[in-house]
Amino acid sequence: QSVLTQPPSASGTPGQRVTISCSGSSSNIGSNSVNWYQQLPGTAPELLIYINNQRPSGVPDRFSGSKSGTSASLAISGLQSEDEADYYCAAWDDSLNGPVFGGGTQLTVL
Amino acid sequence: EVQLVEFGGGLVKPGGSLRLSCAASGFTFSRHSMNWVRQAPGKGLEWVSSISSSSNYIYYGDSVKGRFTISRDNAKNSLYLQMNSLSAEDTAVYYCAREVCNGGNCYFDYWGQGTLVTVSS
Repeated sequence: QSVLTQPPSASGTPGQRVTISCSGSSSNIGSNSVNWYQQLPGTAPELLIYINNQRPSGVPDRFSGSKSGTSASLAISGLQSEDEADYYCAAWDDSLNGPVFGGGTQLTVL
Repeated sequence: EVQLVEFGGGLVKPGGSLRLSCAASGFTFSRHSMNWVRQAPGKGLEWVSSISSSSNYIYYGDSVKGRFTISRDNAKNSLYLQMNSLSAEDTAVYYCAREVCNGGNCYFDYWGQGTLVTVSS
Protein backbone atom coordinates (compact mmCIF):
# COMPACT_ATOMS: atom_id res chain seq x y z
CA GLN A 1 0.00 0.00 0.00
CA SER A 2 1.43 3.35 -1.06
CA VAL A 3 1.89 6.23 1.36
CA LEU A 4 0.25 8.71 -1.03
CA THR A 5 -3.22 7.87 -2.31
CA GLN A 6 -4.18 8.21 -5.95
CA PRO A 7 -7.14 6.82 -7.88
CA PRO A 8 -5.98 3.73 -9.78
CA SER A 9 -7.52 4.88 -13.03
CA ALA A 10 -8.86 7.91 -14.87
CA SER A 11 -10.18 8.46 -18.35
CA GLY A 12 -11.33 11.12 -20.75
CA THR A 13 -12.02 11.79 -24.39
CA PRO A 14 -9.75 13.84 -26.65
CA GLY A 15 -9.98 17.52 -25.85
CA GLN A 16 -11.43 16.96 -22.40
CA ARG A 17 -9.94 18.08 -19.11
CA VAL A 18 -9.11 15.47 -16.49
CA THR A 19 -7.76 15.75 -12.99
CA ILE A 20 -5.88 13.25 -10.88
CA SER A 21 -5.84 13.62 -7.11
CA CYS A 22 -3.11 12.75 -4.64
CA SER A 23 -3.68 12.61 -0.90
CA GLY A 24 -1.01 12.44 1.78
CA SER A 25 -0.32 13.54 5.32
CA SER A 26 1.39 16.24 7.35
CA SER A 27 4.79 14.50 7.12
CA ASN A 28 4.86 14.52 3.34
CA ILE A 29 2.52 16.68 1.24
CA GLY A 30 1.60 18.80 4.25
CA SER A 31 5.17 19.96 4.72
CA ASN A 32 6.88 19.42 1.37
CA SER A 33 6.27 20.15 -2.28
CA VAL A 34 4.67 17.70 -4.66
CA ASN A 35 6.14 16.35 -7.88
CA TRP A 36 4.45 14.44 -10.66
CA TYR A 37 5.98 11.86 -12.97
CA GLN A 38 4.64 10.52 -16.24
CA GLN A 39 5.44 6.98 -17.30
CA LEU A 40 4.54 6.14 -20.86
CA PRO A 41 3.98 2.43 -21.59
CA GLY A 42 7.22 0.45 -21.47
CA THR A 43 9.40 3.43 -20.61
CA ALA A 44 11.07 4.98 -17.58
CA PRO A 45 9.29 7.67 -15.55
CA GLU A 46 9.85 11.28 -16.55
CA LEU A 47 9.47 14.45 -14.53
CA LEU A 48 6.21 16.18 -15.43
CA ILE A 49 5.60 18.73 -12.66
CA TYR A 50 7.96 19.78 -9.90
CA ILE A 51 7.56 21.88 -6.78
CA ASN A 52 3.77 21.71 -6.95
CA ASN A 53 3.18 23.56 -10.21
CA GLN A 54 6.40 24.05 -12.17
CA ARG A 55 6.82 22.51 -15.61
CA PRO A 56 10.20 21.36 -16.94
CA SER A 57 11.07 22.75 -20.33
CA GLY A 58 9.34 20.76 -23.03
CA VAL A 59 6.26 19.90 -20.98
CA PRO A 60 3.17 21.46 -22.58
CA ASP A 61 1.19 23.98 -20.56
CA ARG A 62 -1.78 21.62 -20.88
CA PHE A 63 -0.33 20.00 -17.76
CA SER A 64 -0.71 21.86 -14.47
CA GLY A 65 -0.32 21.02 -10.81
CA SER A 66 -1.67 22.39 -7.58
CA LYS A 67 -1.41 21.67 -3.88
CA SER A 68 -3.55 22.51 -0.88
CA GLY A 69 -2.89 21.27 2.62
CA THR A 70 -2.16 17.55 2.47
CA SER A 71 -3.56 17.03 -1.03
CA ALA A 72 -2.45 17.78 -4.55
CA SER A 73 -3.84 17.40 -8.02
CA LEU A 74 -2.65 17.15 -11.59
CA ALA A 75 -4.82 18.61 -14.33
CA ILE A 76 -4.52 17.79 -17.99
CA SER A 77 -6.49 19.96 -20.38
CA GLY A 78 -7.03 19.39 -24.10
CA LEU A 79 -6.47 15.67 -23.58
CA GLN A 80 -4.55 13.93 -26.37
CA SER A 81 -4.04 10.28 -27.20
CA GLU A 82 -0.33 10.55 -26.41
CA ASP A 83 -1.24 11.45 -22.82
CA GLU A 84 -2.14 7.80 -22.18
CA ALA A 85 0.29 6.87 -19.44
CA ASP A 86 0.67 6.16 -15.74
CA TYR A 87 0.96 9.24 -13.55
CA TYR A 88 2.63 9.21 -10.14
CA CYS A 89 2.65 11.88 -7.48
CA ALA A 90 5.55 12.06 -5.05
CA ALA A 91 6.60 14.13 -2.07
CA TRP A 92 9.49 14.07 0.33
CA ASP A 93 8.58 12.49 3.65
CA ASP A 94 10.17 14.00 6.73
CA SER A 95 10.18 10.69 8.59
CA LEU A 96 11.82 8.78 5.73
CA ASN A 97 14.48 11.23 4.51
CA GLY A 98 13.36 10.24 1.06
CA PRO A 99 10.36 10.53 -1.22
CA VAL A 100 7.12 8.62 -1.03
CA PHE A 101 5.09 7.90 -4.13
CA GLY A 102 1.44 7.44 -4.90
CA GLY A 103 0.31 4.12 -6.29
CA GLY A 104 -0.07 5.60 -9.74
CA THR A 105 -3.05 6.49 -11.90
CA GLN A 106 -3.48 4.86 -15.28
CA LEU A 107 -4.93 7.42 -17.67
CA THR A 108 -6.91 6.14 -20.63
CA VAL A 109 -7.89 8.37 -23.53
CA LEU A 110 -11.12 6.98 -24.89
CA GLU B 1 22.73 15.63 -22.83
CA VAL B 2 22.17 14.01 -19.44
CA GLN B 3 22.36 10.22 -19.63
CA LEU B 4 21.96 7.60 -16.94
CA VAL B 5 22.56 4.00 -17.92
CA GLU B 6 21.97 1.18 -15.47
CA PHE B 7 23.40 -2.28 -15.80
CA GLY B 8 24.08 -5.34 -13.72
CA GLY B 9 20.55 -6.68 -13.45
CA GLY B 10 19.71 -10.33 -14.04
CA LEU B 11 18.40 -13.53 -12.52
CA VAL B 12 19.54 -14.38 -9.00
CA LYS B 13 18.47 -17.04 -6.52
CA PRO B 14 16.75 -16.16 -3.24
CA GLY B 15 19.35 -15.28 -0.64
CA GLY B 16 21.81 -14.26 -3.33
CA SER B 17 23.52 -10.97 -4.07
CA LEU B 18 23.78 -8.62 -7.02
CA ARG B 19 25.52 -5.32 -7.69
CA LEU B 20 23.90 -2.72 -9.89
CA SER B 21 25.75 0.11 -11.54
CA CYS B 22 24.62 3.37 -13.08
CA ALA B 23 26.90 5.24 -15.48
CA ALA B 24 26.25 8.97 -15.63
CA SER B 25 27.24 11.41 -18.34
CA GLY B 26 26.35 14.85 -19.65
CA PHE B 27 26.48 16.63 -16.30
CA THR B 28 28.77 17.20 -13.33
CA PHE B 29 28.04 13.99 -11.47
CA SER B 30 29.88 15.05 -8.30
CA ARG B 31 27.46 17.95 -7.74
CA HIS B 32 24.29 15.88 -7.46
CA SER B 33 22.72 13.53 -4.96
CA MET B 34 21.66 10.31 -6.64
CA ASN B 35 18.93 7.82 -5.96
CA TRP B 36 17.72 4.32 -6.74
CA VAL B 37 14.00 3.78 -7.32
CA ARG B 38 12.45 0.42 -8.14
CA GLN B 39 9.25 -0.79 -9.74
CA ALA B 40 7.97 -4.33 -9.25
CA PRO B 41 6.23 -5.87 -12.28
CA GLY B 42 2.86 -4.22 -12.77
CA LYS B 43 3.30 -2.13 -9.62
CA GLY B 44 4.10 1.45 -8.68
CA LEU B 45 7.33 3.24 -7.89
CA GLU B 46 9.20 2.68 -4.64
CA TRP B 47 12.15 4.76 -3.49
CA VAL B 48 15.08 2.55 -2.47
CA SER B 49 18.02 4.69 -1.46
CA SER B 50 19.79 8.01 -1.83
CA ILE B 51 23.37 9.21 -1.52
CA SER B 52 24.56 12.80 -1.31
CA SER B 53 27.11 14.28 -3.68
CA SER B 54 30.10 13.48 -1.49
CA SER B 55 28.59 10.37 0.10
CA ASN B 56 28.18 12.12 3.45
CA TYR B 57 24.48 11.42 3.68
CA ILE B 58 22.99 8.02 2.85
CA TYR B 59 19.40 6.95 3.36
CA TYR B 60 17.45 3.76 2.72
CA GLY B 61 13.83 2.77 2.44
CA ASP B 62 12.60 0.51 5.23
CA SER B 63 12.21 -2.51 2.95
CA VAL B 64 15.90 -2.63 2.02
CA LYS B 65 17.59 -1.27 5.14
CA GLY B 66 20.36 -3.58 6.34
CA ARG B 67 20.44 -5.53 3.07
CA PHE B 68 21.28 -2.96 0.39
CA THR B 69 24.25 -0.60 0.26
CA ILE B 70 24.43 2.45 -1.97
CA SER B 71 27.76 3.95 -3.00
CA ARG B 72 29.27 6.15 -5.67
CA ASP B 73 32.58 6.87 -7.35
CA ASN B 74 32.68 10.48 -8.49
CA ALA B 75 35.94 9.91 -10.37
CA LYS B 76 34.17 7.31 -12.50
CA ASN B 77 30.81 9.12 -12.67
CA SER B 78 29.18 5.98 -11.35
CA LEU B 79 26.52 5.03 -8.84
CA TYR B 80 26.21 1.56 -7.33
CA LEU B 81 23.73 -0.55 -5.41
CA GLN B 82 24.97 -3.66 -3.64
CA MET B 83 21.99 -5.91 -2.94
CA ASN B 84 22.32 -8.81 -0.48
CA SER B 85 19.90 -11.35 0.98
CA LEU B 86 17.62 -10.95 -1.99
CA SER B 87 14.07 -12.28 -1.93
CA ALA B 88 11.26 -12.54 -4.47
CA GLU B 89 9.90 -9.22 -3.16
CA ASP B 90 13.00 -7.50 -4.55
CA THR B 91 12.11 -8.48 -8.11
CA ALA B 92 11.75 -5.19 -9.94
CA VAL B 93 13.13 -2.81 -12.51
CA TYR B 94 15.70 -0.65 -10.76
CA TYR B 95 16.12 2.93 -11.93
CA CYS B 96 18.82 5.38 -11.02
CA ALA B 97 17.65 8.96 -10.83
CA ARG B 98 19.36 12.32 -10.49
CA GLU B 99 18.16 14.46 -7.63
CA VAL B 100 17.79 18.22 -7.84
CA CYS B 101 16.93 20.39 -4.86
CA ASN B 102 15.65 23.94 -5.16
CA GLY B 103 15.22 25.82 -1.93
CA GLY B 104 14.77 22.60 0.01
CA ASN B 105 12.32 21.15 -2.50
CA CYS B 106 13.78 18.04 -4.10
CA TYR B 107 12.76 16.00 -7.11
CA PHE B 108 14.18 13.59 -9.70
CA ASP B 109 14.75 15.36 -12.99
CA TYR B 110 16.45 12.57 -14.95
CA TRP B 111 15.96 8.81 -14.83
CA GLY B 112 17.80 5.95 -16.44
CA GLN B 113 16.08 3.32 -18.56
CA GLY B 114 16.20 0.79 -15.73
CA THR B 115 17.66 -2.67 -15.23
CA LEU B 116 15.57 -5.72 -14.36
CA VAL B 117 16.38 -7.79 -11.30
CA THR B 118 14.59 -11.11 -11.01
CA VAL B 119 14.88 -13.15 -7.83
CA SER B 120 13.77 -16.71 -8.40
CA SER B 121 14.93 -20.24 -7.81
